[in-house]
Amino acid sequence: QSALTQPPSASGSPGQSVTISCTGTSSDVGGYNSVSWYQQHPDKAPKLMIYEVTKRPSGVPDRFSGSKSGNTASLTVSGLQAEDEADYYCSSYEGSNILLFGGGTKLTVL
Amino acid sequence: EVQLVESGGGLVKAGGSLRLSCAASRFAFSTYNMNWVRQAPGKGLEWVSSINSGSTYIYYADSVKGRFTVSRDNAKNSLYLQMNSLRAEDTAVYYCARDGSFYYLDYWGQGTLVTVSS
Repeated sequence: QSALTQPPSASGSPGQSVTISCTGTSSDVGGYNSVSWYQQHPDKAPKLMIYEVTKRPSGVPDRFSGSKSGNTASLTVSGLQAEDEADYYCSSYEGSNILLFGGGTKLTVL
Repeated sequence: EVQLVESGGGLVKAGGSLRLSCAASRFAFSTYNMNWVRQAPGKGLEWVSSINSGSTYIYYADSVKGRFTVSRDNAKNSLYLQMNSLRAEDTAVYYCARDGSFYYLDYWGQGTLVTVSS
């Protein structure tokens, strides 16, 4: 049950786009369309931003988008806003009825 | 709006036990799979356990297998996590979370802090 790999940090200026990667294996990210992304502000509960690789829950701005290529999934935040500054976590079904999370990426809006 | 409220956290000595509860409301609890996820102080998220709607399928992370037991009472709209043989490394905020469909967690509670002192 190894964690998915995310960069520890990412940054961008307001209005810019930033992409956060999430690398797994063919047994998790690459094997299922079950990648999801969560946003977590300090001392708050995580919030679902993307599910099933590309889908956005109701209420999530369309500035947030997801994609996947092989064993790597990505979250892109376009038109960065100050309130996007938060920690972001990816997750994926692992195939043995296990849910894996990435280590998290701290997004800084410069 | 879906509501999940955890309770039962606190300070416990290593080797001790604690039972967490999660009260669900404003959705059909009995039809959803549920999960526990934890987050150690300053660390990332770690999936702990899942239970399906009918309690027939239950799964655990290796780190808690044999020590933690998840259960639910659909009549009471409640989810539970019995934690035994607690270790310092179990110190974390524990969240209950609803499974939207297939291993994505669409609603989370506010979390309850468990501190295990060694």
